[in-house]
Amino acid sequence: ILNVEQSPQSLHVQEGDSTNFTCSFPSSNFYALHWYRWETAKSPEALFVMTLNGNEKKKGRISATLNTKEGYSYLYIKGSQPEDSATYLCATNTGNQFYFGTGTSLTVIP
Amino acid sequence: NAGVTQTPKFQVLKTGQSMTLQCAQDMNHEYMSWYRQDPGMGLRLIHYSVGAGITDQGEVPNGYNVSRSTTEDFPLRLLSAAPSQTSVYFCASSPVVGTGNYGYTFGSGTRLTVV
Repeated sequence: ILNVEQSPQSLHVQEGDSTNFTCSFPSSNFYALHWYRWETAKSPEALFVMTLNGNEKKKGRISATLNTKEGYSYLYIKGSQPEDSATYLCATNTGNQFYFGTGTSLTVIP
Repeated sequence: NAGVTQTPKFQVLKTGQSMTLQCAQDMNHEYMSWYRQDPGMGLRLIHYSVGAGITDQGEVPNGYNVSRSTTEDFPLRLLSAAPSQTSVYFCASSPVVGTGNYGYTFGSGTRLTVV
């Protein structure tokens, strides 16, 4: 079992603010790091899949970085909008088993 | 393209009853899995399959059985429901796991209550 930790647990920001969250994971035997966005009453949707140290990925106003040597990934949201309100999950795997963190719940206040 | 389809969406069972949660995907994904989601605990892997005829246990397999007779279907069976199995269940699939180069596609979830 891998211990995947996310911080903070929840976050409230004003519309237009930029924000970031952290995912920490064991750095040994690393395969991949996934970020998912999970809106209330919906299913998680994949945002990013990162496999290489130093990876940076971007989708619109959302970006993520990966440091496999120290075992962390950051998710950044630039200019938060109310529609960004969701829980953001990260997950990493040992071969065929993925382990999820408990998520960061983001609320963007208009 | 329907993606991952889970049925039912909601279910109430009495303690000791059995039932099957259905999961089907139409993306020809090799890998399928079942997770349960409980407050404060995140998604926990119950069982997974890397292809038809191959299944394995995840983090919390007790009280659940699975089978994978076809690439498309991966049903989860509760043998004798217990209140501790009250949870939201998600089925997820991926083209291939192993290296983790592909993200999961999740079903819409089944909310199960055991009374």
